[in-house]
Amino acid sequence: DGGITQSPKYLFRKEGQNVTLSCEQNLNHDAMYWYRQDPGQGLRLIYYSQIVNDFQKGDIAEGYSVSREKKESFPLTVTSAQKNPTAFYLCASIGFLNTEAFFGQGTRLTVV
Amino acid sequence: SQQGEEDPQALSIQEGENATMNCSYKTSINNLQWYRQNSGRGLVHLILIRSNEREKHSGRLRVTLDTSKKSSSLLITASRAADTASYFCATEGGSYIPTFGRGTSLIVHP
Repeated sequence: DGGITQSPKYLFRKEGQNVTLSCEQNLNHDAMYWYRQDPGQGLRLIYYSQIVNDFQKGDIAEGYSVSREKKESFPLTVTSAQKNPTAFYLCASIGFLNTEAFFGQGTRLTVV
Repeated sequence: SQQGEEDPQALSIQEGENATMNCSYKTSINNLQWYRQNSGRGLVHLILIRSNEREKHSGRLRVTLDTSKKSSSLLITASRAADTASYFCATEGGSYIPTFGRGTSLIVHP
């Protein structure tokens, strides 16, 4: 079945650590996106990539980094510079000339 | 920046009633989409309406778009307990970057 997979589902980070969230899709979609969701704030765009080896900052990119070495994969690293990383992270992808976004099931990151 | 803003933030109804939620946005759009999110899960696409369309139906869903007022509404008819979820509107203005609102939390009581 085609789809978009995020892992892990739950992630715990200690203060000062970097952690990487995985996002993989087998939909052959060109564009991939990372959103952060906090209670009452909806979805905010962190980074997006519309083609391999290229990515752009979204509205809240500070403290995050991404790579897009393969079409299928768009990992997100939450660095120690992100002061408030506890949130629900959602990865999405969109096909060429399409606008319907397909979402993964999300990763809930908690700082301990 | 969040483009769409849903209203109300929360809605509680009885099974069988209709649920209406609204979305307002600020800048011109190519299309507007509605998504559903069950608690703790990813979003699922429900319906898309293009800027040159005024109304669209899909099963028990009815979406309207008024570009002059920069607003859209989602109507769920004959609601069921399984419709309990958060509903988000997303606008897209030509950049292929969906911009989401804060969502409406719908509770349908059996």
